[in-house]
Amino acid sequence: DQQVKQNSPSLSVQEGRISILNCDYTNSMFDYFLWYKKYPAEGPTFLISISSIKDKNEDGRFTVFLNKSAKHLSLHIVPSQPGDSAVYFCAARRMDSSYKLIFGSGTRLLVRP
Amino acid sequence: GAGVSQSPRYKVTKRGQDVTLRCDPISSHATLYWYQQALGQGPEFLTYFNYEAQPDKSGLPSDRFSAERPEGSISTLTIQRTEQRDSAMYRCASSRDSNTEAFFGQGTRLTVV
Repeated sequence: DQQVKQNSPSLSVQEGRISILNCDYTNSMFDYFLWYKKYPAEGPTFLISISSIKDKNEDGRFTVFLNKSAKHLSLHIVPSQPGDSAVYFCAARRMDSSYKLIFGSGTRLLVRP
Repeated sequence: GAGVSQSPRYKVTKRGQDVTLRCDPISSHATLYWYQQALGQGPEFLTYFNYEAQPDKSGLPSDRFSAERPEGSISTLTIQRTEQRDSAMYRCASSRDSNTEAFFGQGTRLTVV
């Protein structure tokens, strides 16, 4: 059973527009959420995170929103740039096993020039 | 080292053979993780180490899988009597401790034929 779901395998956005990547989770024990970005032939790299006590965290062009009641989080990229084209993984961890990340299946973002 | 280094990058082996994958973490990092990533999926937790201790190996798929970190630095993941279903990307990550951001290596692509 998939505890972290990214239902959109791919997303295509025009340069300069907003990219919105979505993630749903099922486990109410998750207390920390992360987004990782992965370029081809490289390992995933940490992008941004949010604690369950917050509903928003912003870092430059990247903002993560958390809706705990809906068990939903989203990553907004504004404005999108061609260099943002990559696979984005949503991940979550539980308070009682903070070492273990549970990943979604990823969303491939293409930003068209 | 500057980043997490894994070797080999690619490994093709015949079914029934044993394979050993190597991970060289960031030198100051106490915690080391192994993940398995099937095609089109996100990484799945296998096991982790705090220095040389291995507190959780619950993600290892079977007793054919084992991992070591005898001196608390370099780690190896060994798969005995490989099967075709073991074909995957194996990712190693490390972090300062089990609560901080994990840095991933490029992975080892294992193909069992």
